[in-house]
Amino acid sequence: GQQVMQIPQYQHVQEGEDFTTYCNSSTTLSNIQWYKQRPGGHPVFLIQLVKSGEVKKQKRLTFQFGEAKKNSSLHITATQTTDVGTYFCAGPRSGYSTLTFGKGTMLLVSP
Amino acid sequence: GAGVSQSPSNKVTEKGKDVELRCDPISGHTALYWYRQRLGQGLEFLIYFQGNSAPDKSGLPSDRFSAERTGESVSTLTIQRTQQEDSAVYLCASSFGGGVNQPQHFGDGTRLSIL
Repeated sequence: GQQVMQIPQYQHVQEGEDFTTYCNSSTTLSNIQWYKQRPGGHPVFLIQLVKSGEVKKQKRLTFQFGEAKKNSSLHITATQTTDVGTYFCAGPRSGYSTLTFGKGTMLLVSP
Repeated sequence: GAGVSQSPSNKVTEKGKDVELRCDPISGHTALYWYRQRLGQGLEFLIYFQGNSAPDKSGLPSDRFSAERTGESVSTLTIQRTQQEDSAVYLCASSFGGGVNQPQHFGDGTRLSIL
């Protein structure tokens, strides 16, 4: 079935370094959502991208949707320990009214 | 509270027993979703309810899994004859309206452990 692939699976950075996670689909997506799950917590909605080439910023977080609407990225500038968690992208399941989630990128930030 | 509420927060049971998990969505949210998250893994879609429409059961892994929803309120996920591979966190989410454009609001989940 249709899948949304995320890379890397895991990244460990020093506080202050930048971080990027990538989300790729084999099919064109009408939209993509990003969620963050803190250790021991539940996923929390961050943002939705809809337009081709769209770029949105939330403080140190920058979200991009590719021109072909098949890929997306989340970039964090100057990571902080509060950024620790797993970041998931989610796109529409082909033929359904629900989302399929990527396996997530786990971010660990050392002080 | 204003969030999605799930109970119990933890459930330990013996293999072969039936379990029932409960989800109370945010008031006014017509869409409700159940997901399974195995340790260190992503979210596996199980079932989706939207208003009075027939539920999308395409993610249920076997006929041991079923779910009900009363109107636009509480939902229960039932697992019959539990197996060890059913051990996971079961997350419920709700959204204001269905479809793929609505942000989903998640509960804290039920951590299910099968001995």
